[in-house]
Amino acid sequence: GDSVTQMEGPVTLSEEAFLTINCTYTATGYPSLFWYVQYPGEGLQLLLKATKADDKGSNKGFEATYRKETTSFHLEKGSVQVSDSAVYFCALPSTGGFKTIFGAGTRLFVKA
Amino acid sequence: DVKVTQSSRYLVKRTGEKVFLECVQDMDHENMFWYRQDPGLGLRLIYFSYDVKMKEKGDIPEGYSVSREKKERFSLILESASTNQTSMYLCASSPAGGLVYQPQHFGDGTRLSIL
Repeated sequence: GDSVTQMEGPVTLSEEAFLTINCTYTATGYPSLFWYVQYPGEGLQLLLKATKADDKGSNKGFEATYRKETTSFHLEKGSVQVSDSAVYFCALPSTGGFKTIFGAGTRLFVKA
Repeated sequence: DVKVTQSSRYLVKRTGEKVFLECVQDMDHENMFWYRQDPGLGLRLIYFSYDVKMKEKGDIPEGYSVSREKKERFSLILESASTNQTSMYLCASSPAGGLVYQPQHFGDGTRLSIL
């Protein structure tokens, strides 16, 4: 069945460091792919998305490229800030579209 | 600003009580969802609804029921609360997308403790 695998956390970085959070998926066909972010004490919110192969989603300095050949959608940011400390979830829609399949989440800590 | 509102941020109940968690969305969305979030287990879908009075079981429906009498409101019910239902509960909504997936909008969660 469809699934999402994320790198385990927590990831701890210093401010201005480069961030990569790995995400790979298994799916029927070529679904849209998403990153959600959960800041402390809040629910999830959509960070970025890509709807087809080779698309790059971007928002708030974060980027992710839909790689069909490696079935990956890695999240990157060139220079993280303390305010980026959160849990990041990679996700894709289930076959049929009603439900979302979430990865386990990767917690990011950014130190000043 | 669009919003999903959960009635309580924190709730403490006793074993055996019937517990109601309420969720309201103001975006006229067709789909609504209840998840629980536990450390190391990520988000797990309990129930969802794609229309008023319609409901579908998610991955972990045991011990829970839901009610959707109005489009904007989706209630999660713990029929007889148990300590293993202590968790963070998240409500979400999304518009009907047909074959096109629509991202979900989440509330801020209810942290429920069962003593």
